[in-house]
Amino acid sequence: DAKTTQPPSMDCAEGRAANLPCNHSTISGNEYVYWYRQIHSQGPQYIIHGLKNNETNEMASLIITEDRKSSTLILPHATLRDTAVYYCIVRVAEGGAGSYQLTFGKGTKLSVIP
Amino acid sequence: NAGVMQNPRHLVRRRGQEARLRCSPMKGHSHVYWYRQLPEEGLKFMVYLQKENIIDESGMPKERFSAEFPKEGPSILRIQQVVRGDSAAYFCASSPRRDTSSYEQYFGPGTRLTVT
Repeated sequence: DAKTTQPPSMDCAEGRAANLPCNHSTISGNEYVYWYRQIHSQGPQYIIHGLKNNETNEMASLIITEDRKSSTLILPHATLRDTAVYYCIVRVAEGGAGSYQLTFGKGTKLSVIP
Repeated sequence: NAGVMQNPRHLVRRRGQEARLRCSPMKGHSHVYWYRQLPEEGLKFMVYLQKENIIDESGMPKERFSAEFPKEGPSILRIQQVVRGDSAAYFCASSPRRDTSSYEQYFGPGTRLTVT
């Protein structure tokens, strides 16, 4: 899987949008971008994923650049409960070797401040 | 619709004892994955199982560790003769049968193993 680069930490004011960047400059055409988060002492929680189009669900939006070398996870109205470590993961599509493995890096520790 | 269940949530073992960690996947899920998280580190893949089959155990230590997912009952991760370095959080995830689109894994709350 392609490597990803994320800032180690970020702060965000409560109620404001949190924009978490991720670089994945070596991503291949058949690799998806996934985002998970891990709230302290809990199991990782799936947030969203995409291939090349922007995606939105009830939790967040995912913006992928046209060249797919980077992406941004947007939490539109951050709350204190969004304080967590956010992981950007690139994974080969269905059927690729090791496609089932999630490779977690160090992620971005997001602190939402009241 | 219950999520992924893991038990026990906390397990304390003395060096040399055996640890058994259980994982019940979400209803309708037939794929199970085990990950280990050492203190202050990210999760590392250990093993991927389907019912009665080990698909990939490339992340499992070669000795003392084993995993199974029987036809009936939960998936079990077994660690024999535990050592202090086995102290970690062990997470189980499950996913439904694969379809033509990508698929996400749903994680349990983890089992925190402490070896004294």
